Amino acid sequence: KQEVTQIPAALSVPEGENLVLNCSFTDSAIYNLQWFRQDPGKGLTSLLLIQSSQREQTSGRLNASLDKSSGRSTLYIAASQPGDSATYLCAVSNAGGTSYGKLTFGQGTILTVHP
Amino acid sequence: NAGVTQTPKFRILKIGQSMTLQCTQDMNHNYMYWYRQDPGMGLKLIYYSVGAGITDKGEVPNGYNVSRSTTEDFPLRLELAAPSQTSVYFCASSYRTSGANVLTFGAGSRLTVL
Repeated sequence: KQEVTQIPAALSVPEGENLVLNCSFTDSAIYNLQWFRQDPGKGLTSLLLIQSSQREQTSGRLNASLDKSSGRSTLYIAASQPGDSATYLCAVSNAGGTSYGKLTFGQGTILTVHP
Repeated sequence: NAGVTQTPKFRILKIGQSMTLQCTQDMNHNYMYWYRQDPGMGLKLIYYSVGAGITDKGEVPNGYNVSRSTTEDFPLRLELAAPSQTSVYFCASSYRTSGANVLTFGAGSRLTVL
């Protein structure tokens, strides 16, 4: 059974810092890995999707890497801003049969960026 | 374009009551999902559907039922509410592109069972 773990559970940083969020998964047979952002009381917003054949994806100040063989992904946020404060969730789509987009989520990292 | 709409946003139930969480999407997506999120935890898949008339169980289906009579709607039914079903429920839909499903989530429905 796939298990996804995110470290740290919470992170508090001053504005302007570069930071890294970590995600690990136990079964390397995945189709893809996604990073989501969740604001309090809101749904999830997709940030980046990395296919299993890819090593990284970038969007603005965000960069996500994937090392499928070691079961790890990192989300790098450059020059953090207070507006980046949210919960960040990592999720994998498992291979083996047809995934239909079913995702296994980590528990999330709560990020707080202080002005 | 409304995306994925869930109703109600909040609901309090007594043990043993039943209710239906509604989910509608206007993006003509074939795939739809119901997830639940317990405090401090990630989301867990309850049920999913790959098209009208087709549904299947996810990781935590016990105590729930779904139907998919149209492409747009995917209601989640709780028959005999239990305190363990206190959670935030998220509906999502997706389309498939370049070998991956791109999911759009609703804003969530917070359910408390007392």
